[in-house]
Amino acid sequence: EAQVTQNPRYLITVTGKKLTVTCSQNMNHEYMSWYRQDPGLGLRQIYYSMNVEVTDKGDVPEGYKVSRKEKRNFPLILESPSPNQTSLYFCASSTPAERAYNEQFFGPGTRLTVL
Amino acid sequence: AQTVTQSQPEMSVQEAETVTLSCTYDTSENNYYLFWYKQPPSRQMILVIRQEAYKQQNATENRFSVNFQKAAKSFSLKISDSQLGDTAMYFCAFMKHYRYNQGGKLIFGQGTELSVKP
Repeated sequence: EAQVTQNPRYLITVTGKKLTVTCSQNMNHEYMSWYRQDPGLGLRQIYYSMNVEVTDKGDVPEGYKVSRKEKRNFPLILESPSPNQTSLYFCASSTPAERAYNEQFFGPGTRLTVL
Repeated sequence: AQTVTQSQPEMSVQEAETVTLSCTYDTSENNYYLFWYKQPPSRQMILVIRQEAYKQQNATENRFSVNFQKAAKSFSLKISDSQLGDTAMYFCAFMKHYRYNQGGKLIFGQGTELSVKP
């Protein structure tokens, strides 16, 4: 089954304790990205990657890191989480634009709470 | 920069009736795509409908249709014969046209929480 998986689905942590949210896709997609969802703000892009070893900042990158060592995986790293990073996080991957648009496939989301 | 605005934070509708969710956007791009996503309580992001800006005909998917007004930069979603399962958060989203593998960034509106009442 074609899918994007994220782990963990729920995480409660404390300020300053490094954490990683994993994202994996089995569709051989080149483009992957991370979004965060906050009430009243919708979803905003944090980081994206166009291919292995190619990553770049989105609209809200502060406090986050990413890596793309393999095509299928795109982990999101919070080196020193703070309460303002409490949010719902989505990983997404997309097909190349050989069709009219880049169809996005979303993971199930990770609910992160930083105390 | 592109922006997407949904001015209705919450809406409700009676089962079997019709409801329209509003969305406006701002862009200087001429070639782009617009989407409506549904997010039920499971939090999964589900694509409901998409519209290509170069197409004048409004997109339709079963009970879901859009009213795309390019000059006014408006993109509303109409849900006909509302069902209890339509209860969800709905997001309007914009994506500019990218060349092969040059991107895929979605810009989302704030969301509209729709409740369908029995």
